[in-house]
Amino acid sequence: SAVISQKPSRDICQRGTSLTIQCQVDSQVTMMFWYRQQPGQSLTLIATANQGSEATYESGFVIDKFPISRPNLTFSTLTVSNMSPEDSSIYLCSVERGARETQYFGPGTRLLVL
Amino acid sequence: AQSVAQPEDQVNVAEGNPLTVKCTYSVSGNPYLFWYVQYPNRGLQFLLKYITGDNLVKGSYGFEAEFNKSQTSFHLKKPSALVSDSALYFCAVRDGPTGGFKTIFGAGTRLFVKA
Repeated sequence: SAVISQKPSRDICQRGTSLTIQCQVDSQVTMMFWYRQQPGQSLTLIATANQGSEATYESGFVIDKFPISRPNLTFSTLTVSNMSPEDSSIYLCSVERGARETQYFGPGTRLLVL
Repeated sequence: AQSVAQPEDQVNVAEGNPLTVKCTYSVSGNPYLFWYVQYPNRGLQFLLKYITGDNLVKGSYGFEAEFNKSQTSFHLKKPSALVSDSALYFCAVRDGPTGGFKTIFGAGTRLFVKA
């Protein structure tokens, strides 16, 4: 398994500002993922982040809006830029150690944009 | 393309009764199937997975799931439900190399266990 922490756990932000979410894992992992989840709904993959390479974004998500850093094998950040109320959601970090293996999830960051 | 369907938005069960949460999938190759549970205000927790081998997979908290290739199903089951099992359950399928190993999640099924 993997123990994952996220900071902040929740935040309330003003529109037009940016928020950086941190994800820390207790051990080295190959693949890290960032998801968005509306409360009570399914998960939508934003991007996949591998260390040493550019993040791969899913359709509908762009680097200018959601820049991601992956400086090492235990840490990643997701920035939500120029926020609008539509960005209000739960953002989840996830990791796995091998292709098609079990994913482990952080507790999430609950974001409210006013 | 890979897909996974959870036909029930909500399942209601009385405590002590057996529960089933349904999941069907569509994959082009061998399926890698997972069940995750999400408790209120928490991240997702892994319950169990099927990769190969026995069709009946046992997981955490007394849950099990049965892989049925002919029906392309992977239903989650528990013989005796607890009130503490009330949560949101997600079925998921992992894609292979051509799909970038992405996980595709179902819409989720909310389980209510009544005392």
